[in-house]
Amino acid sequence: AQSVAQPEDQVNVAEGNPLTVKCTYSVSGNPYLFWYVQYPNRGLQFLLKYITGDNLVKGSYGFEAEFNKSQTSFHLKKPSALVSDSALYFCAVRDMEKSSGDKLTFGTGTRLAVRP
Amino acid sequence: GAGVSQSPSNKVTEKGKDVELRCDPISGHTALYWYRQSLGQGLEFLIYFQGNSAPDKSGLPSDRFSAERTGGSVSTLTIQRTQQEDSAVYLCASSQSGQETQYFGPGTRLLVL
Repeated sequence: AQSVAQPEDQVNVAEGNPLTVKCTYSVSGNPYLFWYVQYPNRGLQFLLKYITGDNLVKGSYGFEAEFNKSQTSFHLKKPSALVSDSALYFCAVRDMEKSSGDKLTFGTGTRLAVRP
Repeated sequence: GAGVSQSPSNKVTEKGKDVELRCDPISGHTALYWYRQSLGQGLEFLIYFQGNSAPDKSGLPSDRFSAERTGGSVSTLTIQRTQQEDSAVYLCASSQSGQETQYFGPGTRLLVL
């Protein structure tokens, strides 16, 4: 079985400061990892993914995430937060083992609030 | 090109009625997924279609839920005899064959009174 944990319901940060949104995962095999963002009354927008290769992945809007296999983590980061980054962020995992299917398992989401 | 589209955007229904939710995937995407987002919870996988293969229905919560995909494109999620606990946002996603990234539609917000 695969699972994702986002330990923080909300993260508060001042504009211009660095931000981190935490994610840890559990899979039987090797993971595909994703971050999505959801703005109010909108669907999910893809930010970035880790499949293989370099542990530091860069994505849309200046976001990046670091895959850490030993800690089974995939934290989302941005060097300088913007007020417009305020949204709901979801981490998701898919097990590379085909027997697990292609579905994504999502965390419960972390609300990011960036204050001016 | 156009993204994933879903209709209706909002649906209000009475308990016990049947509802149909529609999803139009991105053109050329062979995989289609349905998820449910309930208030205060994450996204819950419902069902997955890949090409002509048998769908993965492992996430459907009860036999009141069913889905079909006609012609390998448009999909309809049907909920029979709706219950108040079915109230949620139903999200559809699609992906290209061999690609891992799923692209989501705007969702259908279902309210069962």
